[in-house]
Amino acid sequence: QLQVEESGGGVVQPGGSLRLSCAASGFSISNNGIQWVRHVPGKGLEWVAFIRFEENFKEKTKSYADSVKGRFTISRDSSENTVYLQMNTLRPEDSALYYCALDWAWGCGPWGQGTLVTVSS
Amino acid sequence: QSALTQPPSASGSPGQSVTMSCTGTSSNIGGYNHVSWYQQRPGKAPKMIIYEVSQRPSGVPDRFSGSKSGNTASLTVSGLQPEDEADYYCSSYAGSSSWVFGGGTKLTVL
Repeated sequence: QLQVEESGGGVVQPGGSLRLSCAASGFSISNNGIQWVRHVPGKGLEWVAFIRFEENFKEKTKSYADSVKGRFTISRDSSENTVYLQMNTLRPEDSALYYCALDWAWGCGPWGQGTLVTVSS
Repeated sequence: QSALTQPPSASGSPGQSVTMSCTGTSSNIGGYNHVSWYQQRPGKAPKMIIYEVSQRPSGVPDRFSGSKSGNTASLTVSGLQPEDEADYYCSSYAGSSSWVFGGGTKLTVL
């Protein structure tokens, strides 16, 4: 069964940092992509970041929404089958429920339950 | 990376059909056949119900159907059931390994 599980959320002051984790099971991140999407209650979903590394072609793709570019960094640890989202210089508007999902059919396949990030002084 | 536009609400009675729209631009919906729809019930994670404009993942009832015309995608739910009450989000590939989502439509089954 294809599953992802997020962790690492919490409360942080503006300007602070957090690292979110997305642990995958049932598939290997070595040949699959992972999306990060966030949801502010009462507002819509917002795509945040994407990573894909294709072992066979030695290609790695990383991309970010303009709203987080330069502050967030997506990475992976194949040995742990986990993708990370390092979030620096956090702002109150980054407060949201962060989901990761398997990149599937040019969309988001199975999603995790999310991890809550609150940026507040 | 502008968000896609969805009406905030839609409603229908059990057994009826309802169609929800999702409007983008030629840089996203109009430029690619990579439109997805997600259902999110209260307190739950989103679930993909349509991919590649009109394809249904395994296990999704055929009451859910998707289409696209120009820069606008649509999701139709036929034979409405009480469990269809949820928020529905559209998403489109927007080129250069980026995606964009809509603001969501809250579907109420009367």
